[in-house]
Amino acid sequence: EPEVTQTPSHQVTQMGQEVILRCVPISNHLYFYWYRQILGQKVEFLVSFYNNEISEKSEIFDDQFSVERPDGSNFTLKIRSTKLEDSAMYFCASSSDRALNYGYTFGSGTRLTVV
Amino acid sequence: RKEVEQDPGPFNVPEGATVAFNCTYSNSASQSFFWYRQDCRKEPKLLMSVYSSGNEDGRFTAQLNRASQYISLLIRDSKLSDSATYLCVVNRRSGNTPLVFGKGTRLSVIA
Repeated sequence: EPEVTQTPSHQVTQMGQEVILRCVPISNHLYFYWYRQILGQKVEFLVSFYNNEISEKSEIFDDQFSVERPDGSNFTLKIRSTKLEDSAMYFCASSSDRALNYGYTFGSGTRLTVV
Repeated sequence: RKEVEQDPGPFNVPEGATVAFNCTYSNSASQSFFWYRQDCRKEPKLLMSVYSSGNEDGRFTAQLNRASQYISLLIRDSKLSDSATYLCVVNRRSGNTPLVFGKGTRLSVIA
């Protein structure tokens, strides 16, 4: 079964440092997403990406965040200057153009710990 | 009103029991509805889509009531492996818009 791959599985970084979280979406999917989940809280939407540009972003996705699809396979989330409150599980997801019927497929996540 | 609301539980039920979860959503323009399952510290996994006419997948039955903006999930003959958090998920508004998650309902099935 096709899957979304995320690396690294766990990253520890110092406050103020830049981090890049990497994702390889399912190959024939067209829409890509980043979500985050702070421990004990709900899964929150950050950003959606289609046709090489951001299609929608939440209020969480401020200037410290950026996304990129640098080649035909990777999809990255960059946090420029991490804060303690950025500590969370970050999930990448992808979907086909039938997302309304079939939903999203999520990667296994990157656990980001900011110290 | 929150976009998606669920009773957080926990629901502690014996093996073989039938359990039902409910969820309400705030935007009447939402078109897509799903139940996802999330195990502790793992990614959400699609359990089933929810269709207007209601749908069943084995021991799982999902219902949608658009007039009341209400979704339900029924699990029959609960197994130990059903223990997880069940996430109610809707799209934010009409069209291909991002999915919004409820906080989830935690289920523990006890032997």
